[in-house]
Amino acid sequence: GESVGLHLPTLSVQEGDNSIINCAYSNSASDYFIWYKQESGKGPQFIIDIRSNMDKRQGQRVTVLLNKTVKHLSLQIAATQPGDSAVYFCAENDRDYKLSFGAGTTVTVRA
Amino acid sequence: GAGVSQTPSNKVTEKGKYVELRCDPISGHTALYWYRQSLGQGPEFLIYFQGTGAADDSGLPNDRFFAVRPEGSVSTLKIQRTERGDSAVYLCASSLGPQETQYFGPGTRLLVL
Repeated sequence: GESVGLHLPTLSVQEGDNSIINCAYSNSASDYFIWYKQESGKGPQFIIDIRSNMDKRQGQRVTVLLNKTVKHLSLQIAATQPGDSAVYFCAENDRDYKLSFGAGTTVTVRA
Repeated sequence: GAGVSQTPSNKVTEKGKYVELRCDPISGHTALYWYRQSLGQGPEFLIYFQGTGAADDSGLPNDRFFAVRPEGSVSTLKIQRTERGDSAVYLCASSLGPQETQYFGPGTRLLVL
């Protein structure tokens, strides 16, 4: 079946630098995408979402980009901080209520 | 406001026992979801409630798993005759409706010995 996946399982970034986390999806019917952050021992925390009629959406220090042509989603974190260390998941919602998650990218921020 | 809460936070049980996991959704959220997360993996869908009814239980792995939401708010996930392979984090999420943002609780960490 079609699923959401991530390009890299780990990302190490220097504090203060920008982070880019990538995600590829294969279900062309998906029209809603979400990024979640999960810290150790906690549940996924909503970061930002984007619907398929948009190609960019900005939040506080975060930007999500959607490229429907190549079925690619990315999360950009500006001025990465130690508190940004976590596992990041992209998820897709293909016109119904189920979220399909990838395996996640573990982000480690170096001081 | 209060987020999604789940109890217990941790549950250790023996193989063959029965367990119940509880979820309190965000007030006013009509949609409720259960997911299961194994170590190193993303959450996997189990069941979706819209109001009191289970609109989709296709993710439940077998008939040992059952969930209810009798009054359209609190939900209980029930696992009979637990097996070691049931060990995982069970996550609950709620949303205002389908296709709306799903907010997750902290999860219940189930360990079956």
